[in-house]
Amino acid sequence: EPEVTQTPSHQVTQMGQEVILRCVPISNHLYFYWYRQILGQKVEFLVSFYNNEISEKSEIFDDQFSVERPDGSNFTLKIRSTKLEDSAMYFCASSVVRGRGEAFFGQGTRLTVV
Amino acid sequence: DAKTTQPTSMDCAEGRAANLPCNHSTISGNEYVYWYRQIHSQGPQYIIHGLKNNETNEMASLIITEDRKSSTLILPHATLRDTAVYYCIVTTDKLIFGTGTRLQVFP
Repeated sequence: EPEVTQTPSHQVTQMGQEVILRCVPISNHLYFYWYRQILGQKVEFLVSFYNNEISEKSEIFDDQFSVERPDGSNFTLKIRSTKLEDSAMYFCASSVVRGRGEAFFGQGTRLTVV
Repeated sequence: DAKTTQPTSMDCAEGRAANLPCNHSTISGNEYVYWYRQIHSQGPQYIIHGLKNNETNEMASLIITEDRKSSTLILPHATLRDTAVYYCIVTTDKLIFGTGTRLQVFP
């Protein structure tokens, strides 16, 4: 069964450092997403990406965040200068279509900012 | 504003059917009803979705009322591995997760 893979599974970083979270979406999918979940809270939408550009982003996705599809297979989320409150599970997802079909989620990267 | 309303938690005995309700009284004509679940802190997992008609797959059944203002997810024979948070989402676009229903399946 196809799956979305995320690396690393756990990353610890110092406050102020840059981190890059990596995702490999399912190969024939066209829409890509990042979500985050702070411990004990809801899964929150961050950004959607289609045709090599951001199609929508939430208020959480400020200038510290960026996304990229550098090589046609990977989909990355970069946090430029991490803050303590960025500590969360980050989930990548992909889908063939948007809003009318199944989205597949990866198992997440647990980011801990110390 | 919340588009769906779900009970905070439910219990179900193993082997019995689990019926999870969802109210979505403000659903618009082109919005789909999706169900996802999240087991512990794993990534959300798609279960089923529908527009107007009832749907069934290998995991569950989705019953949508005729006026589309509510729906029920049915897990026909719940197992301990079905213990999870279940999210009902209505959308034509990106998935927005609420707080869901925490289903506890007990032996």
